[in-house]
Amino acid sequence: SQQGEEDPQALSIQEGENATMNCSYKTSINNLQWYRQNSGRGLVHLILIRSNEREKHSGRLRVTLDTSKKSSSLLITASRAADTASYFCAPSLGNQGGKLIFGQGTELSVKP
Amino acid sequence: GAVVSQHPSWVICKSGTSVKIECRSLDFQATTMFWYRQFPKQSLMLMATSNEGSKATYEQGVEKDKFLINHASLTLSTLTVTSAHPEDSSFYICSATMAAGYNSPLHFGNGTRLTVT
Repeated sequence: SQQGEEDPQALSIQEGENATMNCSYKTSINNLQWYRQNSGRGLVHLILIRSNEREKHSGRLRVTLDTSKKSSSLLITASRAADTASYFCAPSLGNQGGKLIFGQGTELSVKP
Repeated sequence: GAVVSQHPSWVICKSGTSVKIECRSLDFQATTMFWYRQFPKQSLMLMATSNEGSKATYEQGVEKDKFLINHASLTLSTLTVTSAHPEDSSFYICSATMAAGYNSPLHFGNGTRLTVT
């Protein structure tokens, strides 16, 4: 398994603004997943994007994947204070029984 | 659907004692579960892969005799921290996948905060 590297490490924005987080990885993948972790809680799965997909939406979330650059981005539109959390990307080879390795994440703070 | 329950949510124990943490998949069967630990302001570190009916697979540097994992059924995996020491104090999180293969997200429990005094 490989881990993704999220950038920036921390992001602070005002409510209503958009938040963009980036993820880079090193080798070929089967899919890439994004998770959110609220302080003191477990992770929540947000979106899974397959290697043959370029963009995926879920509500206010938009994920893009560029396999040629080995990078992905997560965009949260019209952010809310409740979006304050850490966000992690996890590239998956798809052949290791679901095993995922996580990087340091992006700590997002949305100020009301 | 896909709920993972972890118990207890927090525990305080004395140095030298053992602590058992349970991870249950409530509405699905999980042949594979994963145990992570997380220190404050740090990422999750994968400790081991728990396979139903067989021995767990530990990541490099994780002591299997100290962190005992048992996955006796398709809905339950347990992690026992044996002879706990203050440096074992951490946030332990389990996760499970509904289908251990391609394109299956992980479902996480809410974690267990262990404090060893």
